[in-house]
Amino acid sequence: DIQMTQSPSSLSASVGDRVTITCRASQGISNSLAWYQQKPGKAPKLLLYAASRLESGVPSRFSGSGSGTDYTLTTSSLQPEDFATYYCQQYYGTPWTFGQGTKVEIK
Amino acid sequence: EVHLLESGGGLVQPGGSLRLSCAASGFTFSTYAMSWVRQAPGKGLEWVSAISGGGGSTYYAGSVKGRFTISRDNSKNTLYLRMNSLRAEDTAVYYCAKVRGYYYGSGSFLDYWGQGTLVTVSS
Repeated sequence: DIQMTQSPSSLSASVGDRVTITCRASQGISNSLAWYQQKPGKAPKLLLYAASRLESGVPSRFSGSGSGTDYTLTTSSLQPEDFATYYCQQYYGTPWTFGQGTKVEIK
Repeated sequence: EVHLLESGGGLVQPGGSLRLSCAASGFTFSTYAMSWVRQAPGKGLEWVSAISGGGGSTYYAGSVKGRFTISRDNSKNTLYLRMNSLRAEDTAVYYCAKVRGYYYGSGSFLDYWGQGTLVTVSS
């Protein structure tokens, strides 16, 4: 199975901050990566797929980049509604696997 | 608008069985693969199972293979997960999710999720 490692596991940030989360795969995944946002008690929501493609309706302050084994999710200016847990997921190989999550908290 | 509504969760004893259902609306159900993903309390996401749009191909995580069975009824726009021989470690919120694609696998991913149903395995 492809292992996905996110860093950091948690971070504290302020509204307006630029925030970057990293996801590393145990092998190359050819940009077959999705990012999800999950708020407490809610279902995950798709933010990006194919590493950098923004899902319809998702604010443009979210962006993704990377290649090979290393990928990043960046929020250009953190908004109050962005405080949540973020997960990466590879769909290059089966079984699909998720990172352990990054919790973004208010500083 | 895509809508997925899970049901069937609850408290079950170790070794017991449960069937989850997921009612789908807002899209042509039979043309998309569907999947179950679970989340243990306070933990991350774990892919559990998937089924192709027509139902002819099924896939399972190693942790549930041989105990869980995924199925779908395209005439009722409903996805199912039959869970047998349940263990304490199966305790989780189970999410139904739509796959962007006819098949599970490389190139497809999860684009809509239901709100989940809680399964608790305990004596």
